[in-house]
Amino acid sequence: AQSVTQLDSQVPVFEEAPVELRCNYSSSVSVYLFWYVQYPNQGLQLLLKYLSGSTLVKGINGFEAEFNKSQTSFHLRKPSVHISDTAEYFCAVSVAGAGSYQLTFGKGTKLSVIP
Amino acid sequence: DAGVTQSPTHLIKTRGQQVTLRCSPISGHKSVSWYQQVLGQGPQFIFQYYEKEERGRGNFPDRFSARQFPNYSSELNVNALLLGDSALYLCASSLRGGEDTQYFGPGTRLLVL
Repeated sequence: AQSVTQLDSQVPVFEEAPVELRCNYSSSVSVYLFWYVQYPNQGLQLLLKYLSGSTLVKGINGFEAEFNKSQTSFHLRKPSVHISDTAEYFCAVSVAGAGSYQLTFGKGTKLSVIP
Repeated sequence: DAGVTQSPTHLIKTRGQQVTLRCSPISGHKSVSWYQQVLGQGPQFIFQYYEKEERGRGNFPDRFSARQFPNYSSELNVNALLLGDSALYLCASSLRGGEDTQYFGPGTRLLVL
């Protein structure tokens, strides 16, 4: 079975500063990796995903993530955050090539952007 | 195009009751998945359906059941509600399942008293 660990439950950062949200996963098989964002009282929105190919993945809203197989990590980064980035961010994995496409999520990281 | 829609948005039930939650996928999407998100946690997988067949089931008791209709909409049923079933229930749709992107609806917030 696979699991996801999001190392920080809360990350405060000043507006226009860079941010990194950390995600590590555990799996004995190949995985697909995802970052989702959840704004208050809303569902989840996909930021970016890694299926194969280039390990640096660019997503929406200026976010990017790098897949590091040796360190089993998929950290999310943004060079300059805005107030509107305040939300909860979830890292998720699924088993590559499996029939059931179930996502296993981490517990989330709350990003608070301080003006 | 309309996104994934879920109804109702909020629901209050008492212990022992039964509840039915509904989901309409994005037009053209044939796969629907259900997730439970307890406050302060990430979503947990409950079911996935594709072309009206159950494709996957998470670690939930038999009190939880679901089905998918010919128009690809789906219902999640929970019987004999417990206080611990209080959560946000999220529905996600995708074209075929597999590695297709899952698009989430806004969720149904269930409170069990």
